[in-house]
Amino acid sequence: DAGVIQSPRHEVTEMGQEVTLRCKPISGHDYLFWYRQTMMRGLELLIYFNNNVPIDDSGMPEDRFSAKMPNASFSTLKIQPSEPRDSAVYFCASSRDRSYGYTFGSGTRLTVV
Amino acid sequence: DQQVKQNSPSLSVQEGRISILNCDYTNSMFDYFLWYKKYPAEGPTFLISISSIKDKNEDGRFTVFLNKSAKHLSLHIVPSQPGDSAVYFCAAMDTGNQFYFGTGTSLTVIP
Repeated sequence: DAGVIQSPRHEVTEMGQEVTLRCKPISGHDYLFWYRQTMMRGLELLIYFNNNVPIDDSGMPEDRFSAKMPNASFSTLKIQPSEPRDSAVYFCASSRDRSYGYTFGSGTRLTVV
Repeated sequence: DQQVKQNSPSLSVQEGRISILNCDYTNSMFDYFLWYKKYPAEGPTFLISISSIKDKNEDGRFTVFLNKSAKHLSLHIVPSQPGDSAVYFCAAMDTGNQFYFGTGTSLTVIP
């Protein structure tokens, strides 16, 4: 199994542009999580899905952020418009069980200039 | 391929005793290691870290040990408390600032 696959690995964009981060979870994992890692706040849960349905999006910082999971093998996190304060590493993780056994992707390092 | 491995899915320890959580990695280019703690229904929170130039870092009841030759690190919690019951993730960062997480070890501290 290739694990959780995220793309791109690095993204540099200008303020105001739309950014789309992508994630392919492990096959058979019913839960998918999006996290944001910053030095100031550590690892924050943004949103998670169960069976492709968003369950808790209370961690999404504001309306500029949106996430979708059109099928069991793909999810996107979109930021529109992007701002410099969105610069962080964004992780996707998947799990069979919500409370244990997460597998994290390698992350996408986003830099908004 | 999983570059950071936590081979023990679960661990049970009596209150007051030492908890030892283990983590192995494969990439010698990792230069920074972290432990995260996660309670159910919450995201992981940072616990303690260690740079590859050190072999030990201590913070209160938590100590992380790094053995670079063995590509192994461990988290010691002493004394263990019931509130320490959680899932613990080991993570490593490479020189390109990319993170790699283990799959976690569920610790149960028995009162």
